[in-house]
Amino acid sequence: EAGVVQSPRYKIIEKKQPVAFWCNPISGHNTLYWYLQNLGQGPELLIRYENEEAVDDSQLPKDRFSAERLKGVDSTLKIQPAELGDSAVYLCASSPAGLGGDTQYFGPGTRLTVL
Amino acid sequence: GDSVTQMEGPVTLSEEAFLTINCTYTATGYPSLFWYVQYPGEGLQLLLKATKADDKGSNKGFEATYRKETTSFHLEKGSVQVSDSAVYFCALSAWGAQKLVFGQGTRLTINP
Repeated sequence: EAGVVQSPRYKIIEKKQPVAFWCNPISGHNTLYWYLQNLGQGPELLIRYENEEAVDDSQLPKDRFSAERLKGVDSTLKIQPAELGDSAVYLCASSPAGLGGDTQYFGPGTRLTVL
Repeated sequence: GDSVTQMEGPVTLSEEAFLTINCTYTATGYPSLFWYVQYPGEGLQLLLKATKADDKGSNKGFEATYRKETTSFHLEKGSVQVSDSAVYFCALSAWGAQKLVFGQGTRLTINP
């Protein structure tokens, strides 16, 4: 079974530029998460989707961050414009419905560097 | 709010040493508890979990017991290997929340 796929793995941009990250969850997982991991810290939830609906986006900085999950499968996280402080690893995770739904499976992450 | 506090690292041990990484939590209700491991250049992988008090999660020689009375979920391994070098994260998921709250991580280095 394929795991969670993310791309790109690495991205370097200049501040004020836009950037987008893509995530393909494990097949059949209806819940998708985006996490932010700063250096030396644990991941923090940005947004959670149940199918195509964003059910928890309370930690998403909506002035510059946006996300979508069209058709309830793949998801894209966008930052526009990027700031120096956005340099971090952006992790995508997914989990199944029902029994075992509390276990999340993570992708390798996208490491963003903003210059 | 819910929170997880982990033993600060980094931790450096010799091969075959005994490992303990402390983890305590604060949460309302009865959360599920997890240990995730992150190897260099890779994403987080679930190592083990426990969903109720006194449950013991185990995998790859690692163990952790859900202790409600001390709100702890310490990770242990009897004999570590060089390949266990990684960053270990303790996390909780509050009942019904479907949101993981992570500790800050503990970097473990095992020397041959």
